[in-house]
Amino acid sequence: GAGVSQSPSNKVTEKGKDVELRCDPISGHTALYWYRQSLGQGLEFLIYFQGNSAPDKSGLPSDRFSAERTGGSVSTLTIQRTQQEDSAVYLCASSFNGGTASPLHFGNGTRLTVT
Amino acid sequence: GDSVTQMEGPVTLSEEAFLTINCTYTATGYPSLFWYVQYPGEGLQLLLKATKADDKGSNKGFEATYRKETTSFHLEKGSVQVSDSAVYFCALVTGGGNKLTFGTGTQLKVEL
Repeated sequence: GAGVSQSPSNKVTEKGKDVELRCDPISGHTALYWYRQSLGQGLEFLIYFQGNSAPDKSGLPSDRFSAERTGGSVSTLTIQRTQQEDSAVYLCASSFNGGTASPLHFGNGTRLTVT
Repeated sequence: GDSVTQMEGPVTLSEEAFLTINCTYTATGYPSLFWYVQYPGEGLQLLLKATKADDKGSNKGFEATYRKETTSFHLEKGSVQVSDSAVYFCALVTGGGNKLTFGTGTQLKVEL
């Protein structure tokens, strides 16, 4: 079946512009995660959605970052007034119910380059 | 806070060699431990996991044992293949949830 789909796969933007990154999770998965992978760094947790609960935003690095999940499915990560340090690969993952026994399924990521 | 430390790569091995990728962790409470793998051009996928001390996770010939006394979860495989070339990530989660803390990843290259 279809996996987690992310778009665009690559995005180059100028410093100061806003960007939107999209994630389509696996159908039926209630949990959705955003991670960021910077060069030489591990995957950094950003935000977590579980069903209709309030999202866990504890990993968002600044108020320039926000995310939505509409209808319990598609999610959009928005970065306002991008900075060069925002350059990274942004990974989305979904899991069946968010529990430890439910593995994360990752998309291929969006590579963001801020010039 | 929670953290995961992996050996730095790249690790380059000949086919059929023995593989060890070291992973140690720091966590509050009793974490569940995972290895994820990212093959070229693909998303990360779960390779194996262990949820309590002395558990051994295994999959595709890979094994890792949850060692609480050494806070380690080293990944091993007895005979690697070219198709095992990938980036391997050690990760943990605490509290029964699924918000993983990842290591930096170790790239493995297997040559003929």
